[in-house]
Amino acid sequence: EAQVTQNPRYLITVTGKKLTVTCSQNMNHEYMSWYRQDPGLGLRQIYYSMNVEVTDKGDVPEGYKVSRKEKRNFPLILESPSPNQTSLYFCASSWGLENEQYFGPGTRLTVT
Amino acid sequence: GESVGLHLPTLSVQEGDNSIINCAYSNSASDYFIWYKQESGKGPQFIIDIRSNMDKRQGQRVTVLLNKTVKHLSLQIAATQPGDSAVYFCAEIRDDKIIFGKGTRLHILP
Repeated sequence: EAQVTQNPRYLITVTGKKLTVTCSQNMNHEYMSWYRQDPGLGLRQIYYSMNVEVTDKGDVPEGYKVSRKEKRNFPLILESPSPNQTSLYFCASSWGLENEQYFGPGTRLTVT
Repeated sequence: GESVGLHLPTLSVQEGDNSIINCAYSNSASDYFIWYKQESGKGPQFIIDIRSNMDKRQGQRVTVLLNKTVKHLSLQIAATQPGDSAVYFCAEIRDDKIIFGKGTRLHILP
């Protein structure tokens, strides 16, 4: 089944404790992206990757890192999480920038 | 239409009627637009897309209209069903980034 998977689905952590949210797709898509979704603000792009070893900042990259060492995986790293990063995070993939994106199920992160 | 502040605009439509959800975009250079549907507890799901060289595109029960003059996009859903209840987002491609609108909640009245 073609899908985007994210882990963990739920995470509660404390300020400053490094964490990684994994994202994997099995569709051989070149484009991958991370979003955060906050009430009233819609989805905002954090980082995106056009292909392996190519990553770029989206609209809200501060406090986040990503890597794209292989095509299928695009982990989101929070080196020192803060409470303002409490949010619902979505990973997505597509063939390219101008193609429909397939979204993962989301990761709800709470930073206390 | 698109929301401002913390409140998500809601469109309430009688089951069986047509729904029209509107979206304003900001960049006249944007050349690709997409509509997504997000049901409660799920990730967004692609509905339909349109490129800037088109004014209208139809799918199954959905139509997207693009008015480049006033930078306006609309999604029309024919014969709205209970399963259409969701939050709908428009998105545009701008400078290699994907910019989402804040969303409109569609509420179906029985």
